Amino acid sequence: GESVGLHLPTLSVQEGDNSIINCAYSNSASDYFIWYKQESGKGPQFIIDIRSNMDKRQGQRVTVLLNKTVKHLSLQIAATQPGDSAVYFCAEKALNGQNFVFGPGTRLSVLP
Amino acid sequence: DAGVIQSPRHEVTEMGQEVTLRCKPISGHDYLFWYRQTMMRGLELLIYFNNNVPIDDSGMPEDRFSAKMPNASFSTLKIQPSEPRDSAVYFCASSLRTGGKYEQYFGPGTRLTVT
Repeated sequence: GESVGLHLPTLSVQEGDNSIINCAYSNSASDYFIWYKQESGKGPQFIIDIRSNMDKRQGQRVTVLLNKTVKHLSLQIAATQPGDSAVYFCAEKALNGQNFVFGPGTRLSVLP
Repeated sequence: DAGVIQSPRHEVTEMGQEVTLRCKPISGHDYLFWYRQTMMRGLELLIYFNNNVPIDDSGMPEDRFSAKMPNASFSTLKIQPSEPRDSAVYFCASSLRTGGKYEQYFGPGTRLTVT
C-alpha cells in the first residue's frame, strides 16, 4: 500500500488530544458506512461501521457519528496516540448495493 | 489466517508489456474486490466477484484490463498492454457477507510502475 498523496486534507493533533475526522458522503440512499485506516505501506484496515438507522456507534477509543440530514459522517478518536497517524477513509454503500465508494481520505498526523 | 495475499508486492515493467497481478482471498470469503489507488483519483473500485462470478466491472478502465476468478481461492487482474498511466497501487480485498456485515479485508497491495 501507499500513502495516498500530497493533496489530502491533513489534521494535526497533539498526542493525548481527541481527533475528529469529517466526511461528507454523496448518496442519500447509502445505508451503511465504514471508516478505514491506512498506514503507510499497508492496505486499508477496518475501524468501525455504522448503519443508516443509527446516528452513533462506539468502539474502543473511536466513535462514529452519522448525520443523514446533511449527509455527514465523523470519526472521533479519543486520546490520540502516535500509532493513530495514518490516512482515514470513509466509505459508503448504497441500499441494495454490494460495493463501497470511498472518500478522498484525511491524513491524521499526531504530534509528540 | 494469513489474511489476503497479493503478489507481487512490487512490479516494474515497460510500456506495452503484459502485467498480471494475483490475489488469494481469505478462505471462506464469498466476495472479492479489486481496487486501484492513485494520488489523483484515490481508491477506485475496478471489479468485484461474488462466488467467483464477476458482478460489476463498470470500474474497469478499458479493454486492456481484465480480471478472472477461476476458483474461490485465486483471482488475477491482467493489464495488456500496460501504459504509464496504469502506474498505481492495486489492492485486492475480500469479505464474507453474513449477518449484515460488509467489512472488507484488504491485502497489502501491489505497487505497479510502468515506464
